[in-house]
Amino acid sequence: QKEVEQNSGPLSVPEGAIASLNCTYSDRGSQSFFWYRQYSGKSPELIMSIYSNGDKEDGRFTAQLNKASQYVSLLIRDSQPSDSATYLCAVNGGGSTLGRLYFGRGTQLTVWP
Amino acid sequence: EAGVAQSPRYKIIEKRQSVAFWCNPISGHATLYWYQQILGQGPKLLIQFQNNGVVDDSQLPKDRFSAERLKGVDSTLKIQPAKLEDSAVYLCASSAGGQNNQPQHFGDGTRLSIL
Repeated sequence: QKEVEQNSGPLSVPEGAIASLNCTYSDRGSQSFFWYRQYSGKSPELIMSIYSNGDKEDGRFTAQLNKASQYVSLLIRDSQPSDSATYLCAVNGGGSTLGRLYFGRGTQLTVWP
Repeated sequence: EAGVAQSPRYKIIEKRQSVAFWCNPISGHATLYWYQQILGQGPKLLIQFQNNGVVDDSQLPKDRFSAERLKGVDSTLKIQPAKLEDSAVYLCASSAGGQNNQPQHFGDGTRLSIL
């Protein structure tokens, strides 16, 4: 069973701080990694995708990937109360499960004013 | 661009009844996915279609769940008969292709409650 583990929450940070969300995965064959944001009662919304080792920045969001360590993270700079949501890490399965996304349980983030 | 459309948004049924959900993917997206998301967990794939063919249904409880995508566009997911443990949000997603680097975009989901 391919697994995706996320750091247990909830995570609470003050407005303007950096929020750090972490994720590890078990399948060394995985090639694609995604972060989704899910507001309560809403569907997951794609916010970042990353495919190569290193950092990828998009506005206030930075995704980091280390395939050797099977680790992917999401940093949110200058956190805002509107960033309060559950963040889901999703990893594409390698090998015979190519195309299937495996999701972590999510980390709940609260940004307080 | 219109997003993934799903209906109904909410459904309440009694156990052993049947229920069906409908999904219309983003225009031009060949790949369609149905996920089940139980409260407090991440989505779990039930079935993946590429055009009108099934690519992956290994996690679909086939004794009670069925899905079809007859014309390669919209899709229906059915549960018959429903059990209490089927209470969840059923999410439909689509992507431009079945390759692993294509991001999936989700609809608003159907929240199913079994009494």
